[in-house]
Amino acid sequence: GEDVEQSLFLSVREGDSSVINCTYTDSSSTYLYWYKQEPGAGLQLLTYIFSNMDMKQDQRLTVLLNKKDKHLSLRIADTQTGDSAIYFCAGSGSSNTGKLIFGQGTTLQVKP
Amino acid sequence: GAVVSQHPSWVICKSGTSVKIECRSLDFQATTMFWYRQFPKQSLMLMATSNEGSKATYEQGVEKDKFLINHASLTLSTLTVTSAHPEDSSFYICSAPGASSGYGYTFGSGTRLTVV
Repeated sequence: GEDVEQSLFLSVREGDSSVINCTYTDSSSTYLYWYKQEPGAGLQLLTYIFSNMDMKQDQRLTVLLNKKDKHLSLRIADTQTGDSAIYFCAGSGSSNTGKLIFGQGTTLQVKP
Repeated sequence: GAVVSQHPSWVICKSGTSVKIECRSLDFQATTMFWYRQFPKQSLMLMATSNEGSKATYEQGVEKDKFLINHASLTLSTLTVTSAHPEDSSFYICSAPGASSGYGYTFGSGTRLTVV
């Protein structure tokens, strides 16, 4: 089945750019997602990208998809302390049940 | 946008008792609800998928008799943890395909269960 992996921790200074990386195994995922989870809260959809796209930009967020390497990244420009959270990438996998396969989550720490 | 309301936010219960967690889709019909469990500093583990009007589909290793899932209507899905034990303490989150959130899934705010 689908396997999604992320680096576990990233620390940046406020105002810098953050890049969170994710690799996946199942190239049949139609959509790939980035979610944000703040402490004690549910998941908030940040953005998603279709598998036939290479890049998607949404304000401070840029998603890059390298299908050949099965690599997905999320770049946050001008990172703020409010961006401190856990970020999950997720793929829809080859199943048509709608299940999402999540990575382990990357904890982003933004230092003032 | 699409909202999934999850209650309670947190609950403490004694070992051996049962706890019910509710997820309601507020402004859309959720024919499907996914139930996840999340351990501290870990990813989400899918427990089961509920579908309105039919039996839930459980993932391998999840005890269906312990984690009872009911999807009685198009706006309500419940997870009941029966005969709870301390090892059931966890963060439980529901998720539904959100009609107005594009291709994303709308998540509930989660329930922190502590069994003492």
